[in-house]
Amino acid sequence: QLQLQESGPGLVKPSETLSLTCTVSGGSISSSSYYWGWIRQPPGKGLEWIGSIYYSGSTYYNPSLKSRVTISVDTSKNQFSLKLSSVTAADTAVYYCARWVVAASHPNWFDPWGQGTLVTVSS
Amino acid sequence: AIRMTQSPSSFSASTGDRVTITCRASQGISSYLAWYQQKPGKAPKLLIYAASTLQSGVPSRFSGSGSGTDFTLTISCLQSEDFATYYCQQYYSYPPITFGQGTRLEIK
Repeated sequence: QLQLQESGPGLVKPSETLSLTCTVSGGSISSSSYYWGWIRQPPGKGLEWIGSIYYSGSTYYNPSLKSRVTISVDTSKNQFSLKLSSVTAADTAVYYCARWVVAASHPNWFDPWGQGTLVTVSS
Repeated sequence: AIRMTQSPSSFSASTGDRVTITCRASQGISSYLAWYQQKPGKAPKLLIYAASTLQSGVPSRFSGSGSGTDFTLTISCLQSEDFATYYCQQYYSYPPITFGQGTRLEIK
């Protein structure tokens, strides 16, 4: 059964770069049937898609965050990573990684999701 | 970006009730819609994709319908474990992928 696990610092200072890694177990990140994505949820609020990556390195980013986001993949470690630069308190959120399922040559829904990790931006 | 609007934002119901949650897209998205359930402190869980296809393992009391701009998630007979927040997500046009703001279902 595929599992995803987020890891990284839980506290980041304002103006610094948030870095998270998602480790995929129980399946290969190099499958042609999936992209891999990051979604975040500020405390008490809704879901915001950050971006997604294919094993080849092809990426999609949310235009609202694109200037600050970099998503990368390491197929040898079965991991993908998120970097978000110049963070502010507004970036405080639970960050989830998830598998983005490709169907009919088109990425679609997210399943499954990691358990999420809370990142707080504060000095 | 396609805006997804859910209604209501929250409501109360009792076990055994039939409930319906609505999701409206700001433009037509065919059937490119998924529904998720999220319980407090947990990650979202996929319930339905392609507007009406039940994900494996999801109870049959959940159903989805709609196409174009208007969609519904129906729970035919509420169980205690169904009290949660529900989100819709469009994948017709991206970036960005967009979610509805969520519908919180509480016990009456």
